[in-house]
Amino acid sequence: KAGVTQTPRYLIKTRGQQVTLSCSPISGHRSVSWYQQTPGQGLQFLFEYFSETQRNKGNFPGRFSGRQFSNSRSEMNVSTLELGDSALYLCASSLGGLANNEQFFGPGTRLTVL
Amino acid sequence: GENVEQHPSTLSVQEGDSAVIKCTYSDSASNYFPWYKQELGKRPQLIIDIRSNVGEKKDQRIAVTLNKTAKHFSLHITETQPEDSAVYFCAAVGASGTYKYIFGTGTRLKVLA
Repeated sequence: KAGVTQTPRYLIKTRGQQVTLSCSPISGHRSVSWYQQTPGQGLQFLFEYFSETQRNKGNFPGRFSGRQFSNSRSEMNVSTLELGDSALYLCASSLGGLANNEQFFGPGTRLTVL
Repeated sequence: GENVEQHPSTLSVQEGDSAVIKCTYSDSASNYFPWYKQELGKRPQLIIDIRSNVGEKKDQRIAVTLNKTAKHFSLHITETQPEDSAVYFCAAVGASGTYKYIFGTGTRLKVLA
């Protein structure tokens, strides 16, 4: 099976712009979670989608949003970018039926905000 | 809110020695505790996990222990090798009936040859 893929892998934006990141889960996985990884904060949970519905949400401002399509692919959008949004954004997919289904991570999208 | 504390933030050991990383979680409803290893420039990968109805689990050189009463779980790596050098993250899952993964802040393990 192909692993989790994310596009683009690298992105440079300027403050105030918006950005959309994409995640394609492993075939058959219905859950996609998004994380922000920074050196000081580790892995912080953004949100999780399951069968096109946001099932869980972390403590991020409303500038961070997401969606999931019927084929389980997910997108994450960040509007009005700030310098502090520079980070590695990881998505992870799982079967999703149980909380203890293993999550498989994608390679990440490294976002730099100038 | 849910929180996972992880210690130490950095750990250096001599090759062949053991390494222990500890995590404490806040929500007693958490019922699944995975550990991830992230090598430099790579994605996190699951190395071992434990469910709340088990106290200990071992897989070759790595083991995880769980103390539900103390809300504490630990990763043990024996006979460390240079390739064990990486950042290790613990997580607590299932707090308050959710599917949220709450990660610790990571431990950078360096195995000195």
